[in-house]
Amino acid sequence: KAGVTQTPRYLIKTRGQQVTLSCSPISGHRSVSWYQQTPGQGLQFLFEYFSETQRNKGNFPGRFSGRQFSNSRSEMNVSTLELGDSALYLCASSLRGLSNQPQHFGDGTRLSIL
Amino acid sequence: DQQVKQNSPSLSVQEGRISILNCDYTNSMFDYFLWYKKYPAEGPTFLISISSIKDKNEDGRFTVFLNKSAKHLSLHIVPSQPGDSAVYFCAARERNSGNTPLVFGKGTRLSVIA
Repeated sequence: KAGVTQTPRYLIKTRGQQVTLSCSPISGHRSVSWYQQTPGQGLQFLFEYFSETQRNKGNFPGRFSGRQFSNSRSEMNVSTLELGDSALYLCASSLRGLSNQPQHFGDGTRLSIL
Repeated sequence: DQQVKQNSPSLSVQEGRISILNCDYTNSMFDYFLWYKKYPAEGPTFLISISSIKDKNEDGRFTVFLNKSAKHLSLHIVPSQPGDSAVYFCAARERNSGNTPLVFGKGTRLSVIA
């Protein structure tokens, strides 16, 4: 059974550019969540999508946005990139996103801003 | 304000001995707790979880203990193996009828020495 797939694995951008990251959840999973991991802050929740609707949003600026498609695949977009956006971006999926269901993570996209 | 705290950034244990990783939380609404293991260049892997209606959950070499009155949980690994060397994250979630995001600790790096 295929796990959560994130593309690309690595990305280098410059300040002011924008970037789109992609996540394909485990087959049958309808909830997709995005997290940012930095050395100082650990894993910080960005947002969660379920059935193409954003259900939860973390405390990040509006430059961070996302969407989910009818096949549950999700994309995350960051506009006007800043140096501080350099991080590992992780996507996680779960069956229905219920409170007692574990989330399963992809290997992440490492974004570096120059 | 950190709601989930892992106060030990690192831990070294000899192979064959017990590893005990600790986690404290402040939010009394948390009722589902998880442990993830993370290797470099990979996403977090779900290990074990526990609901607040239990005080112990066991899966092979891994046991999670929950002390609700102390708002404390721990992960025991017995016996520890070199392949267990990784960063371990504690995570928690609030109870509700829908979905709330996982809140992560900053992780503890476990080194199992052969």
